[in-house]
Amino acid sequence: NAGVTQTPKFQVLKTGQSMTLQCAQDMNHEYMSWYRQDPGMGLRLIHYSVGAGITDQGEVPNGYNVSRSTTEDFPLRLLSAAPSQTSVYFCASSFGSANEQFFGPGTRLTVL
Amino acid sequence: GESVGLHLPTLSVQEGDNSIINCAYSNSASDYFIWYKQESGKGPQFIIDIRSNMDKRQGQRVTVLLNKTVKHLSLQIAATQPGDSAVYFCAENYNNNDMRFGAGTRLTVKP
Repeated sequence: NAGVTQTPKFQVLKTGQSMTLQCAQDMNHEYMSWYRQDPGMGLRLIHYSVGAGITDQGEVPNGYNVSRSTTEDFPLRLLSAAPSQTSVYFCASSFGSANEQFFGPGTRLTVL
Repeated sequence: GESVGLHLPTLSVQEGDNSIINCAYSNSASDYFIWYKQESGKGPQFIIDIRSNMDKRQGQRVTVLLNKTVKHLSLQIAATQPGDSAVYFCAENYNNNDMRFGAGTRLTVKP
């Protein structure tokens, strides 16, 4: 099993550009989530999904969209990048929200 | 174990000593808690979890204690090793499907 994979590992954007961060898991997990981690801080939940076709907002959803068309994939879209979105983004998956979450290696995003 | 702003609380211990990392959680209705370890440049890694119907759970060299009265979690690491140096986060199942993380504590193990 590859576990949770994320692409790209690094990305630099200009203000106003859009892009999609990819996340995939091969563990047949129903629950997937996106977090951002700013320097010296904990992870903050952006969006999550409890299964294919179902998504919901977390603590800091503004400026981001998600979709869950399959169990395996959970892409995160930045609609119009802003410098405040400079962060490290982690995707995670688990059997349910009250279960151990497996994290991907992260995407380091810089918005100029 | 709570951080303020950009400065993580830090804990420095001697190799072989026991470590205790503390965390205050926010929602008295949270029913599930996890401790994660994060090494530099990597994603968080699961250490141990506990549900709200328990007050103590032990793993290999680690113990988690839950005090629901004061909304407090602690992680005890026995015989701390240099490989334990990392940032440790607690997380609570805040609102059924919403996992909330604490800001973390940096553990440094001196050889």
